[in-house]
Amino acid sequence: AQSVSQHNHHVILSEAASLELGCNYSYGGTVNLFWYVQYPGQHLQLLLKYFSGDPLVKGIKGFEAEFIKSKFSFNLRKPSVQWSDTAEYFCAVNAGDMRFGAGTRLTVKP
Amino acid sequence: GAVVSQHPSRVICKSGTSVKIECRSLDFQATTMFWYRQFPKQSLMLMATSNEGSKATYEQGVEKDKFLINHASLTLSTLTVTSAHPEDSSFYICSASGRAGADTQYFGPGTRLTVL
Repeated sequence: AQSVSQHNHHVILSEAASLELGCNYSYGGTVNLFWYVQYPGQHLQLLLKYFSGDPLVKGIKGFEAEFIKSKFSFNLRKPSVQWSDTAEYFCAVNAGDMRFGAGTRLTVKP
Repeated sequence: GAVVSQHPSRVICKSGTSVKIECRSLDFQATTMFWYRQFPKQSLMLMATSNEGSKATYEQGVEKDKFLINHASLTLSTLTVTSAHPEDSSFYICSASGRAGADTQYFGPGTRLTVL
């Protein structure tokens, strides 16, 4: 069955630290990949997506993600986090049905 | 960007009553709408997928007679929780996509249902 794994449940960083959130999926066919963010008290918002082409995808607010097909991974990165990046981050994989990872809570200390 | 609204944002009801939640795409036509349930500190669980004008497709384990979904137009889908019980208390989120398949989904703000 298609599944999405996010390895980090809770990540705590200081401002200006670099961020990498892991996402792996188990599906051998063609997939579309997404990262969504949920700020406290707000609804899910799309950060970035990968459908095809350049495997390094740039999204909003300085986030990027790299699709590595051989590793079935789509890790999210940001070189320097800000306090306002504190949120829940969800990786999602869609191959006809959208499946979400369990989410990673990011806390950025000022 | 595409905007999806949900109404109501919060609802409290007595056990045994039915509750209807509306999901609207405000600035685009939603060929497909999705309904999710989110438990505290957990990820979203897909409940069902609905295409305009056809019956919804329910995920395994989701009771279609309990969670009635209607997608009557390209901008509106409704989820009715029938004979609600306290275990149905949850956060229900809809999303909409402009076309069928693996396209980007845009999410509504969610509805917090509390069944007493």
